[in-house]
Amino acid sequence: NAGVTQTPKFQVLKTGQSMTLQCAQDMNHNSMYWYRQDPGMGLRLIYYSASEGTTDKGEVPNGYNVSRLNKREFSLRLESAAPSQTSVYFCASRRAGNYGYTFGSGTRLTVV
Amino acid sequence: AQSVTQPDIHITVSEGASLELRCNYSYGATPYLFWYVQSPGQGLQLLLKYFSGDTLVQGIKGFEAEFKRSQSSFNLRKPSVHWSDAAEYFCAVDQTGNQFYFGTGTSLTVIP
Repeated sequence: NAGVTQTPKFQVLKTGQSMTLQCAQDMNHNSMYWYRQDPGMGLRLIYYSASEGTTDKGEVPNGYNVSRLNKREFSLRLESAAPSQTSVYFCASRRAGNYGYTFGSGTRLTVV
Repeated sequence: AQSVTQPDIHITVSEGASLELRCNYSYGATPYLFWYVQSPGQGLQLLLKYFSGDTLVQGIKGFEAEFKRSQSSFNLRKPSVHWSDAAEYFCAVDQTGNQFYFGTGTSLTVIP
């Protein structure tokens, strides 16, 4: 099915470990986003990519890096995981113009 | 600062009763407005959106929302709630065309 695919769905890391969350969309959307969702705080934007070749910081970028590998793929990297990064991470994409996001199903990350 | 407020953290309604979820925003101009629904363990699904024109918009699953400029509100309504509507609901606004700002969500419980 067309949409946004995130991998992995679940991950447990030890403090200080690194990992990359993968996201791919097959809808030919221009913009892609990474959000984290924490209880009582809604969704907060980590980074976004308005178009291929560009990335910008969102509300909570510290501790993360991103790569817009091509139009389809947008990865999120944690270089040195911390317990404060325990969260559910959502990738989303949007085509040009003012349309809603299409979300992936999320990655539940626990840092111990 | 720009913000989206969902004043009700949790709402419980009886099946068949009507529902209204509140959303207020604070922006200089009329933003683009959205409602999303998230079922447990799932990503977010777009319910409806408002860009311009008729201030009462219809969405999927029998939901509607009304934009009231004077009150800076975009409340979500449903005349008769079904047990399957139990989920978390997020209001979101987009003023820049670049990124969304989400409210903290309202959790809906439906009792038989």
